Amino acid sequence: EADIYQTPRYLVIGTGKKITLECSQTMGHDKMYWYQQDPGMELHLIHYSYGVNSTEKGDLSSESTVSRIRTEHFPLTLESARPSHTSQYLCASSESGGGGNQPQHFGDGTRLSIL
Amino acid sequence: GQNIDQPTEMTATEGAIVQINCTYQTSGFNGLFWYQQHAGEAPTFLSYNVLDGLEEKGRFSSFLSRSKGYSYLLLKELQMKDSASYLCAVRRGTGGFKTIFGAGTRLFVKA
Repeated sequence: EADIYQTPRYLVIGTGKKITLECSQTMGHDKMYWYQQDPGMELHLIHYSYGVNSTEKGDLSSESTVSRIRTEHFPLTLESARPSHTSQYLCASSESGGGGNQPQHFGDGTRLSIL
Repeated sequence: GQNIDQPTEMTATEGAIVQINCTYQTSGFNGLFWYQQHAGEAPTFLSYNVLDGLEEKGRFSSFLSRSKGYSYLLLKELQMKDSASYLCAVRRGTGGFKTIFGAGTRLFVKA
C-alpha cells in the first residue's frame, strides 16, 4: 500500500493569507509531484522533483512554490492566496528506474477554498 | 499538441462487462497508465501498457494500440464498488515526469 500523506485534507481561508500544503511519503521515492485538479477535470502537473534540492515547474503555470530539503517531504506554498487558487491539490511520488514504468502513488489531496 | 479523450460518463449493470476507451495524441509516447479514483479519494494505479497488446490483471484488462493512439480498460464481473472515475494517463519521453492525464470517465454501476 502507498504511504503518502497530505495535510490538511480541507482548508478554507481568506484572501491574502500564506498557505503551506504538506506532503510526506515514507517509501523513499526520489520523484515527487504536485497536481491541481478541479472537479470533473484532468490533473495538471504544477511542480515536480527529481530528488533532494531538485524542483521544476510543471506544465500548468502556478503561483505556488515548492521545496525538497528531505527525500520524504515536498511542501507546496502559496505566499498570498487568491480565490483563483481554489482547487484540489494532489501530491504523488514514484520510484526511479524501471524504464520509467513506475506508477505514481497519490495522497488523498487537499481541498483548498479561498474566500 | 497533447490531448487525451475519454467518454465523460458510462453506466453498466452489476455482473456485466464494460469497456472504457481512451484515445490520445502526443509526441514522444512512452507508456500509458490507467488509474481508478473514487469520489473524494486519491487515484490508485490499475495498469500500465507500453507495448501493443492486452495486459490482464484479475477482473481488469488494458489494451494498447500505439499506431492508433488507442487504449481501453476492460472491467469484468462488475461490482458496485467499481463505481468510480477511471483516468487514462500518457507518459511522454523518459524520466517519468511528463504524464498527461485525461479528465476521466465516471462509471456508474447499477444493481
